[in-house]
Amino acid sequence: DAGVIQSPRHEVTEMGQEVTLRCKPISGHNSLFWYRQTMMRGLELLIYFNNNVPIDDSGMPEDRFSAKMPNASFSTLKIQPSEPRDSAVYFCASSSGALSTDTQYFGPGTRLTVL
Amino acid sequence: GESVGLHLPTLSVQEGDNSIINCAYSNSASDYFIWYKQESGKGPQFIIDIRSNMDKRQGQRVTVLLNKTVKHLSLQIAATQPGDSAVYFCAEKANTGRRALTFGSGTRLQVQP
Repeated sequence: DAGVIQSPRHEVTEMGQEVTLRCKPISGHNSLFWYRQTMMRGLELLIYFNNNVPIDDSGMPEDRFSAKMPNASFSTLKIQPSEPRDSAVYFCASSSGALSTDTQYFGPGTRLTVL
Repeated sequence: GESVGLHLPTLSVQEGDNSIINCAYSNSASDYFIWYKQESGKGPQFIIDIRSNMDKRQGQRVTVLLNKTVKHLSLQIAATQPGDSAVYFCAEKANTGRRALTFGSGTRLQVQP
């Protein structure tokens, strides 16, 4: 079974450039989460969607970050313009959304380096 | 000033020994808890979960214990193997209907052969 798929796996860009990270959740899952992981702050929730609708974006750092989920099988996280402090590993996770089992399954992550 | 990285507590055990990784949580409203394992260069991987109406749950070589009185969660790994070396995170979810998990800072497990 295919798990959560993320692309690209690695991204190196220069400060000021636009970065788009992509995620395909597990088929049938209706909740999708974007996390950021750094040595400084650990694993932080940025935003999550339920049935393609953003539910909580309080973790999004600032207006430079935006996330979309146009359909149940695809989501993007965009950073524009990017800054060196955005360098981190970005994870996407999905879950079935059922109240009784909210286990989140993580993708392999995208390692972003902003020079 | 100089920035300081997140310092992960480290547990070092001998291969074959049992490991116990602890986690304290603060939200009394949390009703669902998960342990994740993260190997270098990979995303967190689900290990085992437990709901607040239970105090113990067993999986294959792993046991999770929940003590709601002191808000403490532990993960026990039996007969630890080199492949168990990773960072282990506990995560909690509050019973507010909000889907988001709150993750702990993690514990690094090092298994010595």
